[in-house]
Amino acid sequence: AQSVAQPEDQVNVAEGNPLTVKCTYSVSGNPYLFWYVQYPNRGLQFLLKYITGDNLVKGSYGFEAEFNKSQTSFHLKKPSALVSDSALYFCAVRVYNNNDMRFGAGTRLTVKP
Amino acid sequence: NAGVTQTPKFRVLKTGQSMTLLCAQDMNHEYMYWYRQDPGMGLRLIHYSVGEGTTAKGEVPDGYNVSRLKKQNFLLGLESAAPSQTSVYFCASSLSPNYGYTFGSGTRLTVV
Repeated sequence: AQSVAQPEDQVNVAEGNPLTVKCTYSVSGNPYLFWYVQYPNRGLQFLLKYITGDNLVKGSYGFEAEFNKSQTSFHLKKPSALVSDSALYFCAVRVYNNNDMRFGAGTRLTVKP
Repeated sequence: NAGVTQTPKFRVLKTGQSMTLLCAQDMNHEYMYWYRQDPGMGLRLIHYSVGEGTTAKGEVPDGYNVSRLKKQNFLLGLESAAPSQTSVYFCASSLSPNYGYTFGSGTRLTVV
Protein backbone atom coordinates (compact mmCIF):
# COMPACT_ATOMS: atom_id res chain seq x y z
CA ALA A 1 0.00 0.00 0.00
CA GLN A 2 1.14 3.54 -0.57
CA SER A 3 -0.17 6.82 0.71
CA VAL A 4 0.82 10.43 1.11
CA ALA A 5 -0.22 12.98 3.72
CA GLN A 6 -0.16 16.75 3.57
CA PRO A 7 -0.67 17.76 7.19
CA GLU A 8 -1.58 21.40 6.51
CA ASP A 9 -4.74 22.37 4.63
CA GLN A 10 -3.59 25.99 4.41
CA VAL A 11 -0.24 27.77 4.52
CA ASN A 12 0.02 31.55 4.67
CA VAL A 13 3.26 33.44 4.10
CA ALA A 14 4.26 37.02 3.38
CA GLU A 15 5.78 37.89 0.02
CA GLY A 16 9.56 37.65 0.13
CA ASN A 17 9.59 35.18 3.03
CA PRO A 18 10.63 31.55 2.62
CA LEU A 19 7.84 29.01 2.25
CA THR A 20 7.54 25.33 3.10
CA VAL A 21 4.71 22.98 2.16
CA LYS A 22 4.93 19.67 4.01
CA CYS A 23 4.48 16.13 2.69
CA THR A 24 5.01 12.75 4.32
CA TYR A 25 4.63 9.39 2.63
CA SER A 26 4.16 5.73 3.37
CA VAL A 27 5.23 3.05 0.89
CA SER A 28 6.56 -0.50 0.88
CA GLY A 29 9.55 -0.04 -1.36
CA ASN A 30 11.55 2.83 -2.79
CA PRO A 31 9.33 5.87 -3.35
CA TYR A 32 9.05 8.01 -6.44
CA LEU A 33 7.86 11.41 -5.22
CA PHE A 34 6.30 14.31 -7.11
CA TRP A 35 4.99 17.82 -6.52
CA TYR A 36 2.27 19.43 -8.63
CA VAL A 37 0.65 22.87 -8.54
CA GLN A 38 -2.93 23.72 -9.48
CA TYR A 39 -4.09 27.23 -10.30
CA PRO A 40 -7.84 28.08 -10.20
CA ASN A 41 -9.89 26.29 -12.86
CA ARG A 42 -6.80 24.64 -14.32
CA GLY A 43 -5.32 21.17 -14.42
CA LEU A 44 -2.33 20.21 -12.32
CA GLN A 45 1.14 21.25 -13.48
CA PHE A 46 4.25 19.19 -12.75
CA LEU A 47 6.81 21.01 -10.55
CA LEU A 48 9.50 18.48 -9.66
CA LYS A 49 10.22 14.86 -8.85
CA TYR A 50 12.54 12.63 -6.85
CA ILE A 51 13.39 9.25 -8.33
CA THR A 52 16.91 8.61 -7.10
CA GLY A 53 20.18 10.46 -6.47
CA ASP A 54 20.57 13.79 -4.68
CA ASN A 55 18.12 14.32 -1.86
CA LEU A 56 17.64 17.97 -2.85
CA VAL A 57 15.82 18.33 -6.16
CA LYS A 58 15.18 21.56 -8.00
CA GLY A 59 12.15 22.23 -10.15
CA SER A 60 10.16 24.85 -11.96
CA TYR A 61 9.57 28.45 -10.81
CA GLY A 62 12.39 28.35 -8.22
CA PHE A 63 10.87 25.56 -6.15
CA GLU A 64 12.91 22.78 -4.59
CA ALA A 65 12.16 19.78 -2.41
CA GLU A 66 14.20 17.69 0.00
CA PHE A 67 13.82 13.93 0.22
CA ASN A 68 14.36 12.66 3.77
CA LYS A 69 14.21 8.88 3.95
CA SER A 70 14.49 8.61 7.72
CA GLN A 71 11.57 10.99 8.25
CA THR A 72 9.68 9.73 5.15
CA SER A 73 9.19 13.33 4.08
CA PHE A 74 9.40 15.32 0.87
CA HIS A 75 8.77 18.96 1.78
CA LEU A 76 8.44 21.61 -0.92
CA LYS A 77 10.40 24.83 -0.39
CA LYS A 78 11.11 28.18 -1.95
CA PRO A 79 13.55 30.76 -0.56
CA SER A 80 11.43 33.82 -1.41
CA ALA A 81 7.69 33.56 -2.00
CA LEU A 82 5.83 35.52 -4.66
CA VAL A 83 2.15 36.50 -4.66
CA SER A 84 1.86 34.56 -7.92
CA ASP A 85 2.85 31.35 -6.05
CA SER A 86 -0.59 31.35 -4.43
CA ALA A 87 -2.22 28.09 -5.55
CA LEU A 88 -3.12 24.56 -4.49
CA TYR A 89 -0.13 22.22 -4.13
CA PHE A 90 -0.27 18.43 -4.32
CA CYS A 91 2.31 15.87 -3.27
CA ALA A 92 2.17 12.44 -4.93
CA VAL A 93 3.92 9.07 -4.49
CA ARG A 94 4.27 5.81 -6.37
CA VAL A 95 6.57 2.84 -6.19
CA TYR A 96 8.51 1.08 -8.92
CA ASN A 97 6.35 -0.96 -11.30
CA ASN A 98 3.16 0.46 -9.82
CA ASN A 99 1.07 2.72 -12.04
CA ASP A 100 -1.18 3.84 -9.20
CA MET A 101 0.18 7.25 -8.21
CA ARG A 102 -1.41 8.41 -4.95
CA PHE A 103 -2.02 12.11 -4.37
CA GLY A 104 -2.33 13.99 -1.12
CA ALA A 105 -5.40 16.05 -0.34
CA GLY A 106 -3.61 19.26 -1.26
CA THR A 107 -2.33 22.35 0.58
CA ARG A 108 -3.59 25.79 -0.29
CA LEU A 109 -0.75 28.30 -0.28
CA THR A 110 -1.58 31.96 0.07
CA VAL A 111 1.18 34.55 -0.32
CA LYS A 112 0.20 38.01 0.91
CA PRO A 113 1.79 41.23 -0.37
CA ASN B 1 1.27 22.03 -29.20
CA ALA B 2 -2.07 21.44 -27.47
CA GLY B 3 -0.84 18.90 -24.87
CA VAL B 4 -3.85 17.18 -23.27
CA THR B 5 -7.32 18.27 -24.35
CA GLN B 6 -10.50 17.27 -22.53
CA THR B 7 -14.02 17.62 -23.86
CA PRO B 8 -16.50 18.72 -22.70
CA LYS B 9 -15.43 21.26 -20.05
CA PHE B 10 -18.79 21.27 -18.25
CA ARG B 11 -21.75 18.91 -18.22
CA VAL B 12 -24.93 18.44 -16.20
CA LEU B 13 -26.50 14.98 -16.26
CA LYS B 14 -29.65 13.57 -14.80
CA THR B 15 -29.38 10.46 -12.65
CA GLY B 16 -29.33 7.39 -14.87
CA GLN B 17 -28.11 9.14 -18.00
CA SER B 18 -24.93 8.10 -19.75
CA MET B 19 -22.07 10.10 -21.22
CA THR B 20 -18.53 9.83 -22.51
CA LEU B 21 -15.64 12.11 -21.66
CA LEU B 22 -12.95 12.41 -24.29
CA CYS B 23 -9.25 12.90 -23.65
CA ALA B 24 -6.82 13.54 -26.49
CA GLN B 25 -3.04 14.01 -26.30
CA ASP B 26 -0.65 14.99 -29.06
CA MET B 27 2.65 14.14 -27.31
CA ASN B 28 2.84 10.48 -28.37
CA HIS B 29 2.64 9.40 -24.71
CA GLU B 30 2.13 5.72 -23.96
CA TYR B 31 0.51 6.15 -20.55
CA MET B 32 -2.84 7.80 -19.95
CA TYR B 33 -4.90 8.20 -16.79
CA TRP B 34 -8.32 9.31 -15.60
CA TYR B 35 -8.62 10.91 -12.15
CA ARG B 36 -11.45 12.46 -10.22
CA GLN B 37 -10.91 15.37 -7.85
CA ASP B 38 -13.17 15.89 -4.88
CA PRO B 39 -12.79 18.57 -2.16
CA GLY B 40 -10.47 17.48 0.64
CA MET B 41 -9.65 14.17 -1.04
CA GLY B 42 -7.05 15.06 -3.60
CA LEU B 43 -7.04 13.11 -6.86
CA ARG B 44 -8.09 9.49 -7.07
CA LEU B 45 -7.21 7.22 -9.99
CA ILE B 46 -10.22 5.77 -11.81
CA HIS B 47 -8.63 3.85 -14.70
CA TYR B 48 -5.40 3.99 -16.62
CA SER B 49 -3.80 2.69 -19.81
CA VAL B 50 -0.19 1.69 -20.48
CA GLY B 51 -0.61 1.68 -24.25
CA GLU B 52 -3.00 1.45 -27.17
CA GLY B 53 -5.59 -1.28 -26.63
CA THR B 54 -4.85 -1.68 -22.89
CA THR B 55 -6.79 -0.53 -19.83
CA ALA B 56 -6.57 -1.25 -16.12
CA LYS B 57 -8.50 -0.38 -12.97
CA GLY B 58 -7.30 2.20 -10.52
CA GLU B 59 -8.38 3.05 -7.00
CA VAL B 60 -12.04 3.93 -7.70
CA PRO B 61 -13.17 2.19 -10.93
CA ASP B 62 -16.78 1.28 -10.03
CA GLY B 63 -19.40 2.91 -12.25
CA TYR B 64 -16.90 3.82 -14.98
CA ASN B 65 -15.58 2.19 -18.13
CA VAL B 66 -12.73 3.22 -20.41
CA SER B 67 -11.38 2.51 -23.87
CA ARG B 68 -8.09 3.24 -25.63
CA LEU B 69 -8.65 2.30 -29.26
CA LYS B 70 -6.13 4.84 -30.50
CA LYS B 71 -2.89 5.81 -28.79
CA GLN B 72 -3.81 9.47 -28.64
CA ASN B 73 -7.31 9.06 -27.20
CA PHE B 74 -8.57 7.79 -23.85
CA LEU B 75 -12.34 7.73 -23.29
CA LEU B 76 -14.10 7.61 -19.94
CA GLY B 77 -17.71 6.40 -19.91
CA LEU B 78 -20.44 6.64 -17.33
CA GLU B 79 -23.17 4.12 -18.18
CA SER B 80 -25.72 5.20 -15.55
CA ALA B 81 -24.74 8.40 -13.79
CA ALA B 82 -25.25 8.77 -10.04
CA PRO B 83 -25.05 11.91 -7.84
CA SER B 84 -21.93 10.42 -6.20
CA GLN B 85 -20.18 10.86 -9.54
CA THR B 86 -20.47 14.63 -9.32
CA SER B 87 -16.83 15.67 -9.47
CA VAL B 88 -14.10 17.28 -11.54
CA TYR B 89 -12.50 14.76 -13.87
CA PHE B 90 -8.92 15.10 -15.06
CA CYS B 91 -7.14 13.24 -17.76
CA ALA B 92 -3.35 12.97 -17.73
CA SER B 93 -0.65 11.44 -19.88
CA SER B 94 3.02 10.62 -19.47
CA LEU B 95 5.92 9.19 -21.43
CA SER B 96 6.48 6.69 -18.63
CA PRO B 97 5.48 6.46 -14.95
CA ASN B 98 8.85 7.96 -13.94
CA TYR B 99 8.05 11.19 -15.71
CA GLY B 100 5.74 13.91 -14.47
CA TYR B 101 2.22 13.80 -15.80
CA THR B 102 0.72 16.35 -18.19
CA PHE B 103 -2.85 17.12 -17.15
CA GLY B 104 -5.81 18.40 -19.10
CA SER B 105 -7.83 21.35 -17.84
CA GLY B 106 -10.62 19.15 -16.46
CA THR B 107 -14.30 18.40 -16.92
CA ARG B 108 -16.73 19.58 -14.26
CA LEU B 109 -19.60 17.07 -14.10
CA THR B 110 -22.73 17.55 -12.06
CA VAL B 111 -25.25 14.72 -11.70
CA VAL B 112 -28.67 15.83 -10.45
